[in-house]
Amino acid sequence: EAQVTQNPRYLITVTGKKLTVTCSQNMNHEYMSWYRQDPGLGLRQIYYSMNVEVTDKGDVPEGYKVSRKEKRNFPLILESPSPNQTSLYFCASSVTSEAEQYFGPGTRLTVT
Amino acid sequence: GENVEQHPSTLSVQEGDSAVIKCTYSDSASNYFPWYKQELGKRPQLIIDIRSNVGEKKDQRIAVTLNKTAKHFSLHITETQPEDSAVYFCAASRGTGGFKTIFGAGTRLFVKA
Repeated sequence: EAQVTQNPRYLITVTGKKLTVTCSQNMNHEYMSWYRQDPGLGLRQIYYSMNVEVTDKGDVPEGYKVSRKEKRNFPLILESPSPNQTSLYFCASSVTSEAEQYFGPGTRLTVT
Repeated sequence: GENVEQHPSTLSVQEGDSAVIKCTYSDSASNYFPWYKQELGKRPQLIIDIRSNVGEKKDQRIAVTLNKTAKHFSLHITETQPEDSAVYFCAASRGTGGFKTIFGAGTRLFVKA
């Protein structure tokens, strides 16, 4: 089954404790992206990747890191999480830059 | 920076009526405009998209129109049904010029039976 998976689905952590949210797709898509969703703000792009080892900043990259060492995986790293990073995070993948983005199930992160 | 404005933020219609959601974008290099539907507690899913070389696209009860000169695009849903109730997001991206994607803030659509 074609899908995008994210782990963990829920995470409660404390300020400053490094964490990684994993994202994996099995559709051989070149394009992948991370978004955060906050009430009233829609989806805001954090980082995106157009291929292995090719990443670029989206609209709200501060406080986040990504890597793309393999085509299927695109982890999101928060080196020192802060409470303003409490949000719902979605990973997405796409076959081209002008095609449907397939979203993962979301990761709800709470930073206290 | 680039932005996408979406209106209205909330829309309530009677079943069978039409619903229209409008978006305006600022980046004149945008050439790909998708619309996503997000049901409560679910992930966003594409319902229709349009590219800059097309003015209108239809898929059954859903249509999207694009005016590149005015930099705005709209979603039209006809004969609304209760299952159309959801949050709808428009987005704009440069497509072949990159993968930076800007979403609107969303429209919560209520369809009353």
